[in-house]
Amino acid sequence: AQTVTQSQPEMSVQEAETVTLSCTYDTSENNYYLFWYKQPPSRQMILVIRQEAYKQQNATENRFSVNFQKAAKSFSLKISDSQLGDTAMYFCAFQSGYALNFGKGTSLLVTP
Amino acid sequence: NAGVTQTPKFQVLKTGQSMTLQCAQDMNHEYMSWYRQDPGMGLRLIHYSVGAGITDQGEVPNGYNVSRSTTEDFPLRLLSAAPSQTSVYFCASRPTWGPPHGYTFGSGTRLTVV
Repeated sequence: AQTVTQSQPEMSVQEAETVTLSCTYDTSENNYYLFWYKQPPSRQMILVIRQEAYKQQNATENRFSVNFQKAAKSFSLKISDSQLGDTAMYFCAFQSGYALNFGKGTSLLVTP
Repeated sequence: NAGVTQTPKFQVLKTGQSMTLQCAQDMNHEYMSWYRQDPGMGLRLIHYSVGAGITDQGEVPNGYNVSRSTTEDFPLRLLSAAPSQTSVYFCASRPTWGPPHGYTFGSGTRLTVV
């Protein structure tokens, strides 16, 4: 089974600063997909960004970007110009086949 | 509005009681799944379905039953609730074929078993 590890249970960043959330995964698959989900206090799961393993180019969505290192099995999320609304739990997830496997999450607090 | 609808949003059960968590989607997604979320554990897959009449177990299936009689609905049944099943439950769906656009999640059901 694939495992997803988020080594930072909690992080804090000041508004307008940049923060990077770490994620590593373990798999023997070659074709797979990686996601970052945001879960604000409302509990809703919101897709932030996704990456196809066969694409070498790192995905970018506005202030959110990833650093995908396939050989190292690393998939970090960078949030630029942090905003108070970015305060949430962030989950890294791995998909190969039917199952979506989640890490345990990183709680991000953005302070004024 | 298109999406995944879960009911109820909150539920309190007594140990030994049974109940069904409802999940419905109107996006014609073949794949549907149930997750439970516990503090410090992330989301763990309970059961999933790749189409009507087809279900399979995930990581933590014990104590839960599912069936899929239609494309739209994927209910999760707790036959005899236990305190260990206190959790937040999410239903999620996606198309089986084509690029992975990510899963669409319901808003969750907070279940407390006393």
